[in-house]
Amino acid sequence: GDSVTQMEGPVTLSEEAFLTINCTYTATGYPSLFWYVQYPGEGLQLLLKATKADDKGSNKGFEATYRKETTSFHLEKGSVQVSDSAVYFCALSDQGGSYIPTFGRGTSLIVHP
Amino acid sequence: DTGVSQDPRHKITKRGQNVTFRCDPISEHNRLYWYRQTLGQGPEFLTYFQNEAQLEKSRLLSDRFSAERPKGSFSTLEIQRTEQGDSAMYLCASSHTSGRSTDTQYFGPGTRLTVL
Repeated sequence: GDSVTQMEGPVTLSEEAFLTINCTYTATGYPSLFWYVQYPGEGLQLLLKATKADDKGSNKGFEATYRKETTSFHLEKGSVQVSDSAVYFCALSDQGGSYIPTFGRGTSLIVHP
Repeated sequence: DTGVSQDPRHKITKRGQNVTFRCDPISEHNRLYWYRQTLGQGPEFLTYFQNEAQLEKSRLLSDRFSAERPKGSFSTLEIQRTEQGDSAMYLCASSHTSGRSTDTQYFGPGTRLTVL
């Protein structure tokens, strides 16, 4: 079945550092790919998405490119802030009708001043 | 619109008791999903509705779990005879789907269940 693998956390960075959170997937079809963010005490929020190969999703300075050849969707940000501290989830969903996403285990990001 | 809301936000119960959670989706959304999330894991799909019809259930949804969406608006998730293993965050999400458009889900804040 479909699956998502994320790098284990926590990822600890200083403010203004460069961020990469790796995500690879296994899927039988051509899924849509997502990054969700969960701030402490809150529900998941969609951060960005990409629906086909070579698409780049971007939002709030975060970017991720849908790489079909490497089955990856790595999340990047050039300069992180303390307020980016959260748990980040990579997910995929099939485009066959149910759109039920499969989530990775999440990667905790801690940004120090 | 204020987004997806869930009630209660926290529930503590004793093993063997029944609990019911409510989810109010974004008003124009026709799909509603329930997930369970345990510590250190991503959300796991439980079930979803399109309007009032329950279209799919995960094998995670044992017969102690039942969900309804009677008028195609709010939904309830009931757990009967709770067990300690039911302790988790229960998340609700909603979306609007038409034709073949990609379905972006919007999540509520969750209900944290603790079974003693």
